[in-house]
Amino acid sequence: DGGITQSPKYLFRKEGQNVTLSCEQNLNHDAMYWYRQDPGQGLRLIYYSQIVNDFQKGDIAEGYSVSREKKESFPLTVTSAQKNPTAFYLCASSLTGTLPYEQYFGPGTRLTVT
Amino acid sequence: GQQLNQSPQSMFIQEGEDVSMNCTSSSIFNTWLWYKQDPGEGPVLLIALYKAGELTSNGRLTAQFGITRKDSFLNISASIPSDVGIYFCAGQSGEMDSNYQLIWGAGTKLIIKP
Repeated sequence: DGGITQSPKYLFRKEGQNVTLSCEQNLNHDAMYWYRQDPGQGLRLIYYSQIVNDFQKGDIAEGYSVSREKKESFPLTVTSAQKNPTAFYLCASSLTGTLPYEQYFGPGTRLTVT
Repeated sequence: GQQLNQSPQSMFIQEGEDVSMNCTSSSIFNTWLWYKQDPGEGPVLLIALYKAGELTSNGRLTAQFGITRKDSFLNISASIPSDVGIYFCAGQSGEMDSNYQLIWGAGTKLIIKP
């Protein structure tokens, strides 16, 4: 079945450590996205990539980094510079340049930093 | 970043009641999407709208693309317990300089009264 996988579902880290969240898709989508969701809040865009080896900052990119070496994969690193990293992280993918523009989401990773 | 005005913020409903929620924007959109998010999961696409005035149904859900292209509505008929969750609207201008990004509402939380 085609879809988006994120791993792990739950992640715990100590403050000051970098952590990388995985996102893989087999939908053959060109674009991939990372969102952050805080309790009771909507979705805020961290980074997005429309093509391999290229990515752009979203609204809240500070303290995060990404890479896009393969079409299927878009890992997100939460660095120690991110002041408030505890959140629910969602990865999504979509087609680009033509309808439909729907984004499809993975199951999310809940990161807790103490 | 830009955000849509989604209302109401939350709704307390009795099982069997009809539900209505809406999103408005200050700018014109070419695409409106409605998603549902269950606790701890990624959002799931419910309905996609691509044409002003379009009315689309998915089971008990009906969504409309406003004539002005600045709003959209979602109705749920005869609500059932599994309808609880957070409903998000998302819009897209379709302009090249927007990089085809989605603009998100803050969500409407649906709660069933005991």
